[in-house]
Amino acid sequence: VHLQESGPGLVKPSGTLSLTCDVSGGSISSSHWWNWVRQSPEKGLEWIGEMYHTGSSNYNPSLSSRATISIDKSKNQFSLDLTSVTAADTALYYCARSRTALEYNMDVWGKGTAVTVSS
Amino acid sequence: EIVMTQSPGTMSVSPGEGATLSCRASQSLYGNLAWYQQRPGQAPRLLIYGISTRATGIPAKFSGRVSGTEFTLTISSLQSEDFAVYYCQQYKERPYTFGQGTKVEI
Repeated sequence: VHLQESGPGLVKPSGTLSLTCDVSGGSISSSHWWNWVRQSPEKGLEWIGEMYHTGSSNYNPSLSSRATISIDKSKNQFSLDLTSVTAADTALYYCARSRTALEYNMDVWGKGTAVTVSS
Repeated sequence: EIVMTQSPGTMSVSPGEGATLSCRASQSLYGNLAWYQQRPGQAPRLLIYGISTRATGIPAKFSGRVSGTEFTLTISSLQSEDFAVYYCQQYKERPYTFGQGTKVEI
């Protein structure tokens, strides 16, 4: 399985950060959770949230309900929307797969995409 | 949330030597602990899950264990490709959290 992130590298403050993760070599409807994780020098690795193909999702409370993950089965991809962004949301964003439906460590990662929040 | 604390922040090791990295959790994890390796410019790579089970394709030079409340990752006979940053992660409960990392340098 291969994951590839895509999306704008620059987002204006107060805007919405939107990223997509293409899943290849496997089905997004398989028994895995699909995650977003970000990394910054200030916060290190930070889990953003996860979604299962059934539509179940969970998010990090630290994001104050600004994050939404969605799945598009027809395109075999999942997406992240992060609203009301500030400079603190500047980070390298990764998509990742949980190893199984019941084990929430992450065994497949995309290469990451850098996002800068700036006017 | 569960706080993960890694030590040391940086360790200097000579090629061929071994290294032991430490990770502590703010509460019991019931075995839900993973280790990742991150090389410069790359994404994290799963090394160990369930405290001590190596992920697919990970060589036996990497081993994990727990003693009391301390989780350790031991790397034997470090080679150039092993010099990287290593992170622990708890997945006992959401939000999943990572340690701040230990950089293993030459």
